[in-house]
Order: sequence, then C-alpha cells, then structure tokens
Amino acid sequence: KAGVTQTPRYLIKTRGQQVTLSCSPISGHRSVSWYQQTPGQGLQFLFEYFSETQRNKGNFPGRFSGRQFSNSRSEMNVSTLELGDSALYLCASSYRDSPSYEQYFGPGTRLTVT
Amino acid sequence: AQKITQTQPGMFVQEKEAVTLDCTYDTSDPSYGLFWYKQPSSGEMIFLIYQGSYDQQNATEGRYSLNFQKARKSANLVISASQLGDSAMYFCAMRVNNAGGTSYGKLTFGQGTILTVHP
Repeated sequence: KAGVTQTPRYLIKTRGQQVTLSCSPISGHRSVSWYQQTPGQGLQFLFEYFSETQRNKGNFPGRFSGRQFSNSRSEMNVSTLELGDSALYLCASSYRDSPSYEQYFGPGTRLTVT
Repeated sequence: AQKITQTQPGMFVQEKEAVTLDCTYDTSDPSYGLFWYKQPSSGEMIFLIYQGSYDQQNATEGRYSLNFQKARKSANLVISASQLGDSAMYFCAMRVNNAGGTSYGKLTFGQGTILTVHP
C-alpha cells in the first residue's frame, strides 16, 4: 500500500497570501488529521476529518480551514499568511478513529512565509 | 486536558546498547492510547509502538518495548541494541477516548527527545 502523500513538499509564500496544502491518505483510511510543527510550539493538532465532516478542531484562528473530499483526500487552507505560520504541516490518516488505531503520517509540507 | 511530558531534551547512547526514553502523561480519561513516533531529519513521523490504557502487558515491537506504569502515568520507550539509524527525534503521544467525541483524531504530543547513537 502506498503511504500518506502530501503536496507540495516545500512552499514559499509572502505574508498576506493564502496557501492550500493537499493530503492523500492511505487507501481505505477515512480519518485524516492535520498537525502544525514548529520549533517553539512543537506539534499541535489543527483538525480532523472523517467522511467529509470536520469532527474536531484545535486552537487555531479561523484563517486555518480544511475540507475532505469523497475519496478521503483532504486539503487545508491558510488565508492571510503571517510570518508565524512558517512550519512543517503534517497530515496523518487512520483506518478508524479509536485510540487503538495508529495514525500514519505523510512526509509533510514545509511552508516558509516571508 | 491531556498533557505529555518528555523531560530529556537529548540522549546519547553507544551503538548496540539499550536506551530508555522517558514519557509521563496526564489525563483524567480512563480510556486512552499511548504512542511513540520517530522523526528522522527528513521530517516524516514513523509510528513505532502503541499501548492501550487497559492493556495488561507491556507492548513490544521488535527492538522497541514500552514500559507502561499506569499508576505512575509513565510510558517509557526502551530501544534495545541501538543502531546508527536510530538517531532521530522521538515523540511520545496520547489519544484519549472520551464519550464527548472531542478526542476525534487528536494526538497530544510531548516536546520530543533527540537521540544520538554513537558508533
């Protein structure tokens, strides 16, 4: 089985712009979660989608949004980029949503905001 | 709220020796899962091992074992026979299973421990 894929792998944007990141989960996985990783804040949960519905959201401003399509692929969007949004954005998929089902992560998208 | 604490910012170990990475957690939920992930410099998070809160035995996966002490709320990772390729950042994470559904998909991570394996 192919792993979780994320595109693009690297991105450079200017403050004020918006960006869309894409995540394709492992085949058969219906739960997709997004995380932001920064040196200062570590790994922080952004949101989770299951069957096209957002079921959980972390403590991030409304500039961060996402969606999931019927094939379980997910996108996240960040509008009005700020310098502090520079981070590694990781997507993870899981077969089921119980604690016993591990999440498999993609390679991440490294976003740099200048 | 859940919290994971990893008190060792960095650890060093000689090749072929065993090493223990510490993790303590805090939650009031009775049902939860504990995970360890490895993150090499490439950035991808690699799942290593899982322990459920109701599991009676410590989890093992090859050279990885999880020393689960529920009363102490600790879930230390033991890597036996360290290899040079084990050099990476290691994260302990937790996911709770609460009836309110606020746990959906959410892993809470510790700050990580950088492990360096010396030849």
